[in-house]
Amino acid sequence: DTGVSQNPRHKITKRGQNVTFRCDPISEHNRLYWYRQTLGQGPEFLTYFQNEAQLEKSRLLSDRFSAERPKGSFSTLEIQRTEQGDSAMYLCASSPDRGWEKLFFGSGTQLSVL
Amino acid sequence: SQQGEEDPQALSIQEGENATMNCSYKTSINNLQWYRQNSGRGLVHLILIRSNEREKHSGRLRVTLDTSKKSSSLLITASRAADTASYFCAPPVDNTDKLIFGTGTRLQVFP
Repeated sequence: DTGVSQNPRHKITKRGQNVTFRCDPISEHNRLYWYRQTLGQGPEFLTYFQNEAQLEKSRLLSDRFSAERPKGSFSTLEIQRTEQGDSAMYLCASSPDRGWEKLFFGSGTQLSVL
Repeated sequence: SQQGEEDPQALSIQEGENATMNCSYKTSINNLQWYRQNSGRGLVHLILIRSNEREKHSGRLRVTLDTSKKSSSLLITASRAADTASYFCAPPVDNTDKLIFGTGTRLQVFP
């Protein structure tokens, strides 16, 4: 059990560029969650998957954000045409179906949009 | 909207003292969890308490749950500098499979 892995750890980009983050969950965890966190705030729910199916997407998430989980394994979160307001820590978490409430978080990807 | 809200927002204590953090939530729940986050890192699950439990212990942690008041508390006894972190409660959102976190309590323990 190597834990939830997120890459890259840090990303600096210019406004208007596209960025993609990757999350590798704990093996055999069916559920995968994406959260966003800004300084001084708690994690904000973005979306989650059960296996390859995206079951819910936050209404706060604009159309510039898209997430995928092909084959129910790793997941990617893409942000198109980044804006300065997208600067945040993007956290991924995974959990099994049974006992799903105990989320295992990765260390996050810190995005800075200049 | 936030399902769980922590109080106080910030807490500073000396090593050896106890730290108490409170959480209030809005809807009925089956369980409630507490997480910890060190600066710049992901969250770590601390403890889960079920709706039919009133109190639960894990090491220096003690969690209580009062479903009639829709509130929970986390007590850290004999605090250490290493306990410095943000603490979040996370009741599941009613009828969904997701956790909504509040703004947390930022605990600072001075040596």
